[in-house]
Amino acid sequence: EPEVTQTPSHQVTQMGQEVILRCVPISNHLYFYWYRQILGQKVEFLVSFYNNEISEKSEIFDDQFSVERPDGSNFTLKIRSTKLEDSAMYFCASGGLADAEQYFGPGTRLTVT
Amino acid sequence: GEDVEQSLFLSVREGDSSVINCTYTDSSSTYLYWYKQEPGAGLQLLTYIFSNMDMKQDQRLTVLLNKKDKHLSLRIADTQTGDSAIYFCAESIRGSYIPTFGRGTSLIVHP
Repeated sequence: EPEVTQTPSHQVTQMGQEVILRCVPISNHLYFYWYRQILGQKVEFLVSFYNNEISEKSEIFDDQFSVERPDGSNFTLKIRSTKLEDSAMYFCASGGLADAEQYFGPGTRLTVT
Repeated sequence: GEDVEQSLFLSVREGDSSVINCTYTDSSSTYLYWYKQEPGAGLQLLTYIFSNMDMKQDQRLTVLLNKKDKHLSLRIADTQTGDSAIYFCAESIRGSYIPTFGRGTSLIVHP
């Protein structure tokens, strides 16, 4: 069964560094999403992406964040100048249609020290 | 704004029924969801209900929606050890398909 994959599973970075979290969505899906979950808190929506542009974003998704689909398979989340409070589990998801089920990846745990 | 609340833990004996409860605040919700997260895995959509329905059954799963009280529940019949996971309630509101999640309920199934 096709699945969303994410790499790395765990990323440790120093405060102020840039990180790129990678996702490979399900191949025929058109809608892509990033969510995050700070430890002990709720899963929060960051951004959705369709047709090579951001379709919706939350207040969390400020200028520090950017997304890209650099080729036909990868979907990336870049976090510039990481802060301690960016430490969280980041989930990628993809869907075939806007109102269809979103399939989630296993997540990347980001630790900022 | 949207807010989804659920209890953090539920412990049941194998073979019993589990009922996980959730409350939400936004009356304009269109879809209400239950997701399951097993250790080391992503969130898996278990089932969802449209806001004009009050019940949905899918094998061992029964979703009940009380729109007046803004209360959603997930009942798992004949709970098995493989059902041990975190269960997230979520809602999406009119005009968006982006779910707003609760904190998740850890279901622990013991023999």
